[in-house]
Amino acid sequence: AQSVTQLGSHVSVSEGALVLLRCNYSSSVPPYLFWYVQYPNQGLQLLLKYTSAATLVKGINGFEAEFKKSETSFHLTKPSAHMSDAAEYFCAVSEGWGAQKLVFGQGTRLTINP
Amino acid sequence: DAGVIQSPRHEVTEMGQEVTLRCKLISGHNSLFWYRQTMMRGLELLIYFNNNVPIDDSGMPEDRFSAKMPNASFSTLKIQPSEPRDSAVYFCASSRDGNNQPQHFGDGTRLSIL
Repeated sequence: AQSVTQLGSHVSVSEGALVLLRCNYSSSVPPYLFWYVQYPNQGLQLLLKYTSAATLVKGINGFEAEFKKSETSFHLTKPSAHMSDAAEYFCAVSEGWGAQKLVFGQGTRLTINP
Repeated sequence: DAGVIQSPRHEVTEMGQEVTLRCKLISGHNSLFWYRQTMMRGLELLIYFNNNVPIDDSGMPEDRFSAKMPNASFSTLKIQPSEPRDSAVYFCASSRDGNNQPQHFGDGTRLSIL
């Protein structure tokens, strides 16, 4: 079965610094991978998705993620953090061919220091 | 376009009462997912439907929980009788067919059982 591990339940960076949120997955089939963001008192919003077209995926709000099959990783990055990036971030993997079910990681709370 | 719409946004009720949460899917979506989010357990998939048919209800905690899709655009999640440990934020999400299709989340219902 597919699974997702997000390294670090809390990450804190300074405004303007690089953001790096780590996600490793396990999957017995070529995976479809997603990053979602959750702001306080809201539902999850899609940041970006990997669907095998390109290994570097660009998303909204300046975020991007790189799929590395050899490392089974799909880390999320942003070159320069903004205060508005403070939120919880979830990595997810699609459960297999033809399945819409997603397996979510436990989430990483990102704090931005002024 | 209207997103996934959940109602009510907040519900406070006493233990033993019946609770009904409602969800309207995005037009054209045919998969529907119910999640529960708590601090302790994170984001848990309770049940999901495809074309109005329940596909996987293995996440439903116990018989007190039931979910229905009376039509292609609407779903309910019912808890009867409710217990304090059911307090959580409940999300529904919808998607189109295909495992590269992202799920679109509603803003959730914050449920408090006293």
